[in-house]
Amino acid sequence: AQSVSQHNHHVILSEAASLELGCNYSYGGTVNLFWYVQYPGQHLQLLLKYFSGDPLVKGIKGFEAEFIKSKFSFNLRKPSVQWSDTAEYFCAVNPGGSYIPTFGRGTSLIVHP
Amino acid sequence: SAVISQKPSRDICQRGTSLTIQCQVDSQVTMMFWYRQQPGQSLTLIATANQGSEATYESGFVIDKFPISRPNLTFSTLTVSNMSPEDSSIYLCSVETSGTYYEQYFGPGTRLTVT
Repeated sequence: AQSVSQHNHHVILSEAASLELGCNYSYGGTVNLFWYVQYPGQHLQLLLKYFSGDPLVKGIKGFEAEFIKSKFSFNLRKPSVQWSDTAEYFCAVNPGGSYIPTFGRGTSLIVHP
Repeated sequence: SAVISQKPSRDICQRGTSLTIQCQVDSQVTMMFWYRQQPGQSLTLIATANQGSEATYESGFVIDKFPISRPNLTFSTLTVSNMSPEDSSIYLCSVETSGTYYEQYFGPGTRLTVT
């Protein structure tokens, strides 16, 4: 069965630090890739997505993610985090043609001001 | 995009009872999903609910325990039946809207505690 691994479960950073959250998946075929974010007290919402084309995708609030097919990875990055980035981040993968995503366990990010 | 509301937002229930969670969408959608999110764990898909057909349940989830209704294109309910403390979780409704390439929109969730 397909799986999605987020290796960092809890990350604590100071403001202005750089961020990289890892996401690896096990499916070998075509995939659609997503990062979702859940800010405290808010709905889960889409941060960015990859379907095809440029493997470096940019999302909202200065986030970006790079799809590296050979490594089955889709890591999330931000060069300089802010206190408002404190949230839970989920990686999700749809095998090509499937409507059903598989989610990773999530990474809790705390940014200290 | 889609705006989703859920009722109730939270509830504390006694074991053996049932709770029905409502999910309302502000636009017509074909595909609706119900997830469970347990503390520190991933979102787990319970079932897919398409209007006009029986819900499709994922492995480990059965209709007798989690009956789902989908009477129209904007509404669905999930019932958690004969609850036990292991059912304590956050239950999320989500939808996919046409043309968004499998992007999902989530409701605020229902936090259920079973005592």
